[in-house]
Amino acid sequence: DVVLTQTPPTLSATIGQSVSISCRSSQSLLHSNGNTYLNWLLQRPGQPPQLLIYLVSRLESGVPNRFSGSGSGTDFTLKISGVEAEDLGVYYCVQSTHAPPTFGGGTKLELK
Amino acid sequence: QIQLVQSGPELKKPGESLKISCKASGYTFTDYAMQWVKQAPGKGLQYMGWINTQTGKPTYADDFKERFVFSLETSASTAYLQINNLKNEDTATYFCATPGFAYWGQGTLVTVSS
Repeated sequence: DVVLTQTPPTLSATIGQSVSISCRSSQSLLHSNGNTYLNWLLQRPGQPPQLLIYLVSRLESGVPNRFSGSGSGTDFTLKISGVEAEDLGVYYCVQSTHAPPTFGGGTKLELK
Repeated sequence: QIQLVQSGPELKKPGESLKISCKASGYTFTDYAMQWVKQAPGKGLQYMGWINTQTGKPTYADDFKERFVFSLETSASTAYLQINNLKNEDTATYFCATPGFAYWGQGTLVTVSS
């Protein structure tokens, strides 16, 4: 199975600060059809995960544009340009290029 | 709007069985597969597998090939997760989700304790 390694495991930020989370894959996530099935999820405390970014960089409907995704192959990044209080929680990357889908270990975003 | 609504929390003893439901609305049920995800207390997300909502064929991740059964009631737009011979390590929140993890149920907390 594909292993996704997220760093850092914990991130402390102040409101308004910009932060980045890395997700590295044990193998390329480029599918033979040309798509890269790498998504980013946010799980707020006590809530189910919600989709933020799909196909590496496409913003899910209703998600603020302070969230952005980038990367290719095996290295991917989620950036939050100006953290807001509602952004606190655990961020997961997830790949669906290779079966079975696998999740990163998560990055907990806390207030400093 | 697409919604997945799961059944309520469960408290079971080791060796018992349970069945969790996930009722879909806002789309044609057979248009999308249904996936299942486990989250142990304080831990990350673990993919359990998926069921083809057109054929009813389940596919299980390696850790879930024993004791776990995915099923459907298509007429009711509902997917089910059954866990047999419950063990303490099955204590977790279980989520249903659509492909791409775009939509999630609210989760069902299962507690296994003697």
